[in-house]
Amino acid sequence: DVKVTQSSRYLVKRTGEKVFLECVQDMDHENMFWYRQDPGLGLRLIYFSYDVKMKEKGDIPEGYSVSREKKERFSLILESASTNQTSMYLCAIKSQPKFIFGQGTRLTVV
Amino acid sequence: KNQVEQSPQSLIILEGKNCTLQCNYTVSPFSNLRWYKQDTGRGPVSLTIMTFSENTKSNGRYTATLDADTKQSSLHITASQLSDSASYICVVSSTGGGNKLTFGTGTQLKVEL
Repeated sequence: DVKVTQSSRYLVKRTGEKVFLECVQDMDHENMFWYRQDPGLGLRLIYFSYDVKMKEKGDIPEGYSVSREKKERFSLILESASTNQTSMYLCAIKSQPKFIFGQGTRLTVV
Repeated sequence: KNQVEQSPQSLIILEGKNCTLQCNYTVSPFSNLRWYKQDTGRGPVSLTIMTFSENTKSNGRYTATLDADTKQSSLHITASQLSDSASYICVVSSTGGGNKLTFGTGTQLKVEL
């Protein structure tokens, strides 16, 4: 089975800090995604990547950037964390026909 | 605008009882519909995936139905167990690469003794 691993389950950061959320897959899948999940809003797509160094904006990319230097790793970057970025962040890969999610990172910005 | 609406928002049932969760969608063009189970503090895990031509699909005690004409789906849980307590999320994918997913906000199910 494909495994999607997010580096941290829980993270607390200060406003203005640069934050890196890491996601690693153990297979050779091209498509990787970053979502955030907030109560009452469902999951919303931040960015996705369809290959190394390739990225596309999702529905809510503002305040975020991503990096995909190697196929197995997709990083979400908060350049200057703000309190409204407190959320659950979920990484996913597309393993046709499924989407497989990581365990999630609960980020709190104080 | 593509939308997925789920009902009820939350549900409490006794262990051993059955329940049905609803999903209505207005996603076009339709590719497939997925149900996920998400335990508290964890990522979603896939239960079923149905394409346009499939009316029903089962995964153990979970049975999903799809009516593509009325754009409705349901997830039926039989003989519920305490471990079924979770959020159940309906996700609809549109065509054109299949990467565009529209998520419902989920039904929070609690199974009690």
